[in-house]
Amino acid sequence: GESVGLHLPTLSVQEGDNSIINCAYSNSASDYFIWYKQESGKGPQFIIDIRSNMDKRQGQRVTVLLNKTVKHLSLQIAATQPGDSAVYFCAENGGFKTIFGAGTRLFVKA
Amino acid sequence: NAGVMQNPRHLVRRRGQEARLRCSPMKGHSHVYWYRQLPEEGLKFMVYLQKENIIDESGMPKERFSAEFPKEGPSILRIQQVVRGDSAAYFCASSGPTGELFFGEGSRLTVL
Repeated sequence: GESVGLHLPTLSVQEGDNSIINCAYSNSASDYFIWYKQESGKGPQFIIDIRSNMDKRQGQRVTVLLNKTVKHLSLQIAATQPGDSAVYFCAENGGFKTIFGAGTRLFVKA
Repeated sequence: NAGVMQNPRHLVRRRGQEARLRCSPMKGHSHVYWYRQLPEEGLKFMVYLQKENIIDESGMPKERFSAEFPKEGPSILRIQQVVRGDSAAYFCASSGPTGELFFGEGSRLTVL
């Protein structure tokens, strides 16, 4: 069945360092992948997305990498800031619905 | 440009009562999605609706749960005869032509 999973439940990084959050997916038919950020008590917020015809996409301080061969997705955050502390979800869409992974909690140490 | 609006933000119900959660999509969006989130867990898909149509309800429990998105007014997620296991945050999202989801701030249901 469809599933999106994350390798690590928590990640702790020093302020200013780069963060890498990983995600594995299992549905080969998924053609659209999204990263969301969720702060405590709030709804998920779109960060960046990528379609299956690409392997890399860059935003402001964030980069998403897609490896379709091993069904792996990663989110890279450059120069991590305290405001980046949140839970990050990868999500996949192969049709009508978007399926979320369990999430990785990012802690940023000052 | 208002985002996705959900209300109530917090709802307390006793076992056996009904809960009604409302969601107004972003202006111009005609697709609505409902997700449930338990503490420290991911978002679980429940249902996808367009105006007056349920497109995919594969994530909805077979009993007590229903959803609608009428021609006029907000989308409603209705939970009848609530039980403690229904306690969760319920998020609504809407999407437009690009397919990108925009989420509301959620409705947090507590069943006593």
